[in-house]
Amino acid sequence: DQQVKQNSPSLSVQEGRISILNCDYTNSMFDYFLWYKKYPAEGPTFLISISSIKDKNEDGRFTVFLNKSAKHLSLHIVPSQPGDSAVYFCAASTYGGATNKLIFGTGTLLAVQP
Amino acid sequence: KAGVTQTPRYLIKTRGQQVTLSCSPISGHRSVSWYQQTPGQGLQFLFEYFSETQRNKGNFPGRFSGRQFSNSRSEMNVSTLELGDSALYLCASSRGPGEMREKLFFGSGTQLSVL
Repeated sequence: DQQVKQNSPSLSVQEGRISILNCDYTNSMFDYFLWYKKYPAEGPTFLISISSIKDKNEDGRFTVFLNKSAKHLSLHIVPSQPGDSAVYFCAASTYGGATNKLIFGTGTLLAVQP
Repeated sequence: KAGVTQTPRYLIKTRGQQVTLSCSPISGHRSVSWYQQTPGQGLQFLFEYFSETQRNKGNFPGRFSGRQFSNSRSEMNVSTLELGDSALYLCASSRGPGEMREKLFFGSGTQLSVL
């Protein structure tokens, strides 16, 4: 049972354009969401997060939007750069628990073409 | 500050064997989590340790086990290896459980191939 889903295995965009990566979840108990970025042969690195009390969080070129009613979140990268080419994982957790357990999606491979 | 260190980086085993993977967390980090990454499943939570105690466990068979030592280093063991255990095993550390999840730092992983 995949509680966090990333339905697009891959995405290709031109440099300078917007990249939009999508994520859906099924568990309404999730109240904290994160995006991680992973390059080959490296571990995932934290990118940006959002709690369920917000619907938007920005950090530089990265913005995450949360639609709780639709159980959907998206990551916008503007403008996209070739160095953004990586696998992006969406993850969810319940903030109230004393645990670092994260439920990850299957990832989206982003390719930014120069 | 050194990052999360996982050894070995690559491992090749045959079915039926057992394997032990090692993880050294960032200095000062006392919580260690393990994840399995496979192409079709993404990252799946294996278990989490804090102060030498397992605090949480994922939905994996009993062949997967782990432990944490007093210096916060952790090992995970997989017994009676199966072909489906071929995966990248990632370790992550943080200062404590539930403490600012964005401060979860991952190692580069151990790539296990079971032949």
